[in-house]
Amino acid sequence: IQMTQSPSSLSASVGDSVTITCRASQSISTYLSWYQQKPGKAPKILMYAASSLQSGVPPRFSGTGSGTDFTLTISSLQPEDFATYYCQQSYSDPWTFGQGTKVDIK
Amino acid sequence: EVQLVESGGGLVQPGRSLRLSCAASGFTFDDFAMHWLRQTPGKGLEWVSTISWNSGHRGYADSVKGRFTISRDNAKNSLYLQMNSLRAEDTALYYCAKVHYYDGRGYFEYWGQGTLVTVSS
Repeated sequence: IQMTQSPSSLSASVGDSVTITCRASQSISTYLSWYQQKPGKAPKILMYAASSLQSGVPPRFSGTGSGTDFTLTISSLQPEDFATYYCQQSYSDPWTFGQGTKVDIK
Repeated sequence: EVQLVESGGGLVQPGRSLRLSCAASGFTFDDFAMHWLRQTPGKGLEWVSTISWNSGHRGYADSVKGRFTISRDNAKNSLYLQMNSLRAEDTALYYCAKVHYYDGRGYFEYWGQGTLVTVSS
């Protein structure tokens, strides 16, 4: 299953709301996770099952979607949120990732 | 606290072999399947291989099937990846990871810091 994220990158300011889209090449129900990765660090799980927030992740992160179209929204962007975000499907093997969306400071 | 620490990466010539290790702590290692993933600037994140808790099931990405072998030693809380016939396209940062499963699917809950493999002459 191919996972396609858009945009590939975006520039935003602290306080902005940003939305990242992930599209699957076939239906994956809600078996979709989102990760955040900062330079030099491993990816960190943010959300799973499309809309379930991982423990410890701030509620300004939210996810929606099912089937083939999904979104990750960060409301009121904070300085620590500037990073690269990846979606990942676990509906069928092999589990696959989107190519990433880099969020940087405008 | 769950910790995963990879080691064994380095510079290797095409066609040669390398063995990666992952030392696990902070959880009951022999209760869980484990995974290897890799990351490159060009191809992004790619799942590489998985092994079940008792080594009864092993899975591989098509890109490494027949060349890589995953194994584990539950007595040592360790995961391994034997990489043979290495190619330039295997150059990547390799992570070991533990999955949290739900409804038979899951997500990569814990990751190591990665170990860099560079395949070049």
